[in-house]
Amino acid sequence: AQSVTQPDIHITVSEGASLELRCNYSYGATPYLFWYVQSPGQGLQLLLKYFSGDTLVQGIKGFEAEFKRSQSSFNLRKPSVHWSDAAEYFCAVGDSGGSNYKLTFGKGTLLTVNP
Amino acid sequence: SQTIHQWPATLVQPVGSPLSLECTVEGTSNPNLYWYRQAAGRGLQLLFYSIGIGQISSEVPQNLSASRPQDRQFILSSKKLLLSDSGFYLCAWSGDRGVNTEAFFGQGTRLTVV
Repeated sequence: AQSVTQPDIHITVSEGASLELRCNYSYGATPYLFWYVQSPGQGLQLLLKYFSGDTLVQGIKGFEAEFKRSQSSFNLRKPSVHWSDAAEYFCAVGDSGGSNYKLTFGKGTLLTVNP
Repeated sequence: SQTIHQWPATLVQPVGSPLSLECTVEGTSNPNLYWYRQAAGRGLQLLFYSIGIGQISSEVPQNLSASRPQDRQFILSSKKLLLSDSGFYLCAWSGDRGVNTEAFFGQGTRLTVV
């Protein structure tokens, strides 16, 4: 069964600093990978996705992520964090091989941004 | 464009009472539909998903059930709520089976069972 691990439950960075959120997945085939962001009390918004091709993907709000098959990772990065980036971030893997498509999420990383 | 509506936004229900949460999608046909529950520090747990009318798959045996009476309508129900049913419930849709697109989420329902 597919699974996702986000090792960091909570990360605090200063505004303007760089950011990297870690995500490791377990899946038998080439995965479909996603990063979502959730503001308090809200639904989830897609930041970026990887299906195939270039392993460095660009998303909204200046985020990017790199797929590394050898490390089973899909880490999210941003060169300069803004206070509005404070939120919870979820990595997810999609079932690319089955007949029924579903997403499995990690437990999330809460990002706090200090002024 | 596609939109997803989920209601109510918040709900406080006594233990033992019934539950009905509704989710509808507009602007697309034959979507895959999902119900997730989110508990603090535990990420999103997939409860049910549906690939078509009347077709429901349950991921976690529990006190809840789901139904899909129409193509773009997904309902989460319970006959008798438990305290442990409290949480944040999210409905989502994605493209047709076989088209591996991302999921789009509703704004969620905060359920408190008292």
